[in-house]
Amino acid sequence: TQLLEQSPQFLSIQEGENLTVYCNSSSVFSSLQWYRQEPGEGPVLLVTVVTGGEVKKLKRLTFQFGDARKDSSLHITAAQPGDTGLYLCAGAYNNNDMRFGAGTRLTVKP
Amino acid sequence: NAGVTQTPKFRVLKTGQSMTLLCAQDMNHEYMYWYRQDPGMGLRLIHYSVGEGTTAKGEVPDGYNVSRLKKQNFLLGLESAAPSQTSVYFCASSRNLTPGQAFFGQGTRLTVV
Repeated sequence: TQLLEQSPQFLSIQEGENLTVYCNSSSVFSSLQWYRQEPGEGPVLLVTVVTGGEVKKLKRLTFQFGDARKDSSLHITAAQPGDTGLYLCAGAYNNNDMRFGAGTRLTVKP
Repeated sequence: NAGVTQTPKFRVLKTGQSMTLLCAQDMNHEYMYWYRQDPGMGLRLIHYSVGEGTTAKGEVPDGYNVSRLKKQNFLLGLESAAPSQTSVYFCASSRNLTPGQAFFGQGTRLTVV
């Protein structure tokens, strides 16, 4: 069982559609990060959320941290083929190390 | 701006052979991590370090050892490679845990035959 559960595991949509992916845990996190990974590359940080209920926007991407700081969501508006990739959430575990979810693999078709 | 550099990028090992993966960062980060990435499993933490001279076990430490003799370097060793260790290995570093922005290397693709 993963500390951070991400859903859905796979998502294939058409260009212009909206989508939401989720990151859930039974543990409380002091912060959560979202990363995007492209084939053959390491993950790259998109955003960090720290405060319960926090909402951050990055162009067409909206990130939300749950009030209880156990979950987060990523919403993409009007998806584009360039958004294709593996989206990973991560958080500090036991104030010692950083753990990742299994990821959501997003494909946006032209 | 190098960031995090991993060597080698690719390697094929025979079962039972040993090897060391090198990770170097030039950002003066305290925290360094080694992850392995397998299909459908995301990134799983092997070992990590919270500073020079320190190491600790992560989720999947068996079969691996690490050392952090210098702040900028974090080495991952496989003493006797097994096919189950075929994976893509990523090194990362961060200044702290919260907010915890991690910078990743480009990965090492290891195949054990």
